[in-house]
Amino acid sequence: ETGVTQTPRHLVMGMTNKKSLKCEQHLGHNAMYWYKQSAKKPLELMFVYSLEERVENNSVPSRFSPECPNSSHLFLHLHTLQPEDSALYLCASSQDRPAGGHEQYFGPGTRLTVT
Amino acid sequence: GENVGLHLPTLSVQEGDNSIINCAYSNSASDYFIWYKQESGKGPQFIIDIRSNMDKRQGQRVTVLLNKTVKHLSLQIAATQPGDSAVYFCAVFSGGYNKLIFGAGTRLAVHP
Repeated sequence: ETGVTQTPRHLVMGMTNKKSLKCEQHLGHNAMYWYKQSAKKPLELMFVYSLEERVENNSVPSRFSPECPNSSHLFLHLHTLQPEDSALYLCASSQDRPAGGHEQYFGPGTRLTVT
Repeated sequence: GENVGLHLPTLSVQEGDNSIINCAYSNSASDYFIWYKQESGKGPQFIIDIRSNMDKRQGQRVTVLLNKTVKHLSLQIAATQPGDSAVYFCAVFSGGYNKLIFGAGTRLAVHP
């Protein structure tokens, strides 16, 4: 295991639902990330948090709302999603924000299906 | 921007053979490179990394080669095993963008 856990592993939600994805890292890292992984596409960076401060938001629609209450926990709040938002959502952490380059450790992902 | 691509979407090899997975990048200022392995139902797992001041790095059964002249990166797996079957991603860090850019992935299929 990588030391990064995600819950739930699978989620099916309707377009009017509100749900949250949770990520926890047990590595003492200072940076955390949300990625979206769609079939046959590269990983898309969504959000970056460094020391609980959001440092990057890659033009993600407002129906995705991240929250980082402390350096070990990261949430992704979902609201009024679209079917094209169905994907694998991956959380990752690294020792520091990748200035200078640091490997990122990934969780197992949440497989999200929007109906 | 940074473009990171892989030469083949699928690679099939016989068990015991060596595998080579390739990756090209576009930004000559890229200075840190990682290979990840992703098995079905799991998140990407770090395999090996290399910085731009090196052109080769070896791990257990894996070697990463970096050719900065042609902006090319490769992952070599020696004596490929069924457990190596997965999708392999390269990721490139460019200081100018301050983030990792991932390639689309190559699926490695190992046949007995």
